[in-house]
Amino acid sequence: NAGVTQTPKFQVLKTGQSMTLQCAQDMNHNSMYWYRQDPGMGLRLIYYSASEGTTDKGEVPNGYNVSRLNKREFSLRLESAAPSQTSVYFCASSEVTQEPQHFGDGTRLSIL
Amino acid sequence: DQQVKQNSPSLSVQEGRISILNCDYTNSMFDYFLWYKKYPAEGPTFLISISSIKDKNEDGRFTVFLNKSAKHLSLHIVPSQPGDSAVYFCAAKFGNEKLTFGTGTRLTIIP
Repeated sequence: NAGVTQTPKFQVLKTGQSMTLQCAQDMNHNSMYWYRQDPGMGLRLIYYSASEGTTDKGEVPNGYNVSRLNKREFSLRLESAAPSQTSVYFCASSEVTQEPQHFGDGTRLSIL
Repeated sequence: DQQVKQNSPSLSVQEGRISILNCDYTNSMFDYFLWYKKYPAEGPTFLISISSIKDKNEDGRFTVFLNKSAKHLSLHIVPSQPGDSAVYFCAAKFGNEKLTFGTGTRLTIIP
C-alpha cells in the first residue's frame, strides 16, 4: 500500500550539479504533479502531466524539466542546480485532474 | 499575486474545543475547494472538499463552510484532538485547471 513513492528523501547538491528526482505511484492514476514547498509560500506547481504522454508547465517551471516515463512514473530534473532551488519537493497523483491529489512524503533538497 | 490566502500562520486551541481555520480567495472563477492536512516530514493528505454549488460539507468531526459572496472558506474541527495538530492548507481550482494552495496554518491542540 505504498501510494506515491519519492526518491531520494534527502539530497545535498553543489551549485551547477544536475540531478533527477524520481516519483512512482501504484494507484493507476492518470495525472501526476510536481510541487515545491517553501516557507511562507505554500505549495507551488512546477509541472504536471494530465495523462501519460503529456506534460505541461505549472506556476514555477523555470530551471526544471520533467519526463512522464510511463503511467506510473514522473521524474523531475534539475539540469544546473541553483541555491534558489533549495526546497522541499512533493510529487502527487490523482485519478483525473478534477480529483483530490495523493502526495508522496517529499524530497528535501539543499543546494550549496 | 496570492489568489488563496490563509492569513493566520498559526492557531492554538484547547483539546475538546472547536478549531476554526480560515481561508480567503480572490478568484471568483474557483469552483472547487479542498483542505489538506500535513504532518512534519510527510506529504499533505486530503481532508475534505466542497463544490461551489454547496455552502457546507461535513465529514465526521470536520466541516467546511463556503461563503461565495465573501470569497471565504473555513474548516471547523469539533471536538479538537491532539492528533489534529498539523499544518492545514486550503486549495482552490476551477474546471480542469491546476490547484492553487494557500500558505498554510499551523494548528496546535493543547492537551
